[in-house]
Amino acid sequence: VQLVESGGGLVQPGKSLKLSCSASGFTFSSYGMHWIRQAPGKGLDWVAYISSSSGTVYADAVKGRFTISRDNAKNTLYLQLNSLKSEDTAIYYCARGYSGDYWGQGVMVTVSS
Amino acid sequence: DIQMTQSPSVLSASVGDRVTLNCKASQNINKYLNWYQQKLGEAPKLLIYNTNNLQTGIPSRFSGSGSGTDFTLTISSLQPEDFATYFCFQHNSWPGTFGGGTKLELK
Repeated sequence: VQLVESGGGLVQPGKSLKLSCSASGFTFSSYGMHWIRQAPGKGLDWVAYISSSSGTVYADAVKGRFTISRDNAKNTLYLQLNSLKSEDTAIYYCARGYSGDYWGQGVMVTVSS
Repeated sequence: DIQMTQSPSVLSASVGDRVTLNCKASQNINKYLNWYQQKLGEAPKLLIYNTNNLQTGIPSRFSGSGSGTDFTLTISSLQPEDFATYFCFQHNSWPGTFGGGTKLELK
């Protein structure tokens, strides 16, 4: 099982970014997937979950601004981040399955002017 | 939202010690509680899922227990590689929520 996030970087407040999580080593379409973030030096903060049938749930802090999606043909999970705020600055991890049994190495998103 | 409170926030212990980390939910979460270990600069790793199920490849010195609102992670005999931060996570109801973490440090 391997999960590799990409798409992070430095972005200005109010702007957008799209993160990707490329999955391999398992049948991606059979698993729900999480996005979880961690601000520098802080704890873990659950962001969103998408089921294998593409049902979605979001944390209140990102609802209406972030969109989780998946492309099973490409074995890829996405997180569209809109209207970014400084408090969204964090390492963003994708994790497999309802229990989050495998995690990627994370990708840094920095929101700053 | 369900709040998860971990205690203590910092635990000092020695190699060979038996330690217990606590996680308390603000409401009943049944058995849907996971434990993760995170070392500095690394992604979290799943140790225990659904209260007491040991993830594949995790040493048997790790165990979990509890139900309802009170849960514990026990390490029966601390090894040098166990000094890390531990997080609990409830997935009984959305949004999922993490505890603030317990940092296990060398005494």
